[in-house]
Amino acid sequence: EPEVTQTPSHQVTQMGQEVILRCVPISNHLYFYWYRQILGQKVEFLVSFYNNEISEKSEIFDDQFSVERPDGSNFTLKIRSTKLEDSAMYFCASSARDRGEAFFGQGTRLTVV
Amino acid sequence: AQKVTQAQTEISVVEKEDVTLDCVYETRDTTYYLFWYKQPPSGELVFLIRRNSFDEQNEISGRYSWNFQKSTSSFNFTITASQVVDSAVYFCALSEGDMNTGFQKLVFGTGTRLLVSP
Repeated sequence: EPEVTQTPSHQVTQMGQEVILRCVPISNHLYFYWYRQILGQKVEFLVSFYNNEISEKSEIFDDQFSVERPDGSNFTLKIRSTKLEDSAMYFCASSARDRGEAFFGQGTRLTVV
Repeated sequence: AQKVTQAQTEISVVEKEDVTLDCVYETRDTTYYLFWYKQPPSGELVFLIRRNSFDEQNEISGRYSWNFQKSTSSFNFTITASQVVDSAVYFCALSEGDMNTGFQKLVFGTGTRLLVSP
C-alpha cells in the first residue's frame, strides 16, 4: 500500500542551525502538508502546499520556515535558524483529489539542543 | 473558528472492557468531515475513520464503532473488548477544506491517552 515516507526519523541539531526535513508524499496526491506536535501536545497545522505554492499557512509558520518541492517526488520543510522551542515531532501528510483522508508519514522527531 | 474538544485526557481500562472516547466539535460550516487517528507509542499517526457531515449512520469496523450525533456535535469512538495493543493516544480531528478538491486542513483535538492493562 502506498505510504508517505519521512527522513530522517530523528534529528538532533544545535540551536541556530538550519535543518531540512524530507518527505516523499504518495505519488498521485496533489496536496501536501506539514504538521507539528510538541511532545505531549496536540497536532498543529503548519502549512499546505498545492501546485508548487503555499496554499495556506498558520501563524506558527513564520519567516524561519520554508517549504519546497524540489523535484517530482520530494517535499521538504526547512527551518532556517532553529530554536529550542522548535523541538517537536514533524509530520508530513498528503491527500488526493478524490479521497477524503490525509495520509501521514511516520514523523521526524526534531530535537534542538 | 473550528474547534475539537476531547475532554478525557487519559482513560485506563482492563483488557476486554469496552471503552468510549468522546469528541465534541465546533464549526460553522455546513459541510465538514470528522476523523479519528491513532498514535501508538511509536509515534506515527494512523488513520482510523473519516465521516462527512451528511452521513450520520453509525459505523462499525471489527471492534471499533463510531457514533456521530450532529445534534450534539459529537463523534464518539468505542472500542469493544479492548486489547493491550489498543493502548495509544487517539485524536479526533475536524477538516477545514473542500473535499471536492481534495484540500484538507485538519484541526486536531488534544487527544485521549488510552491505557489497556492485561
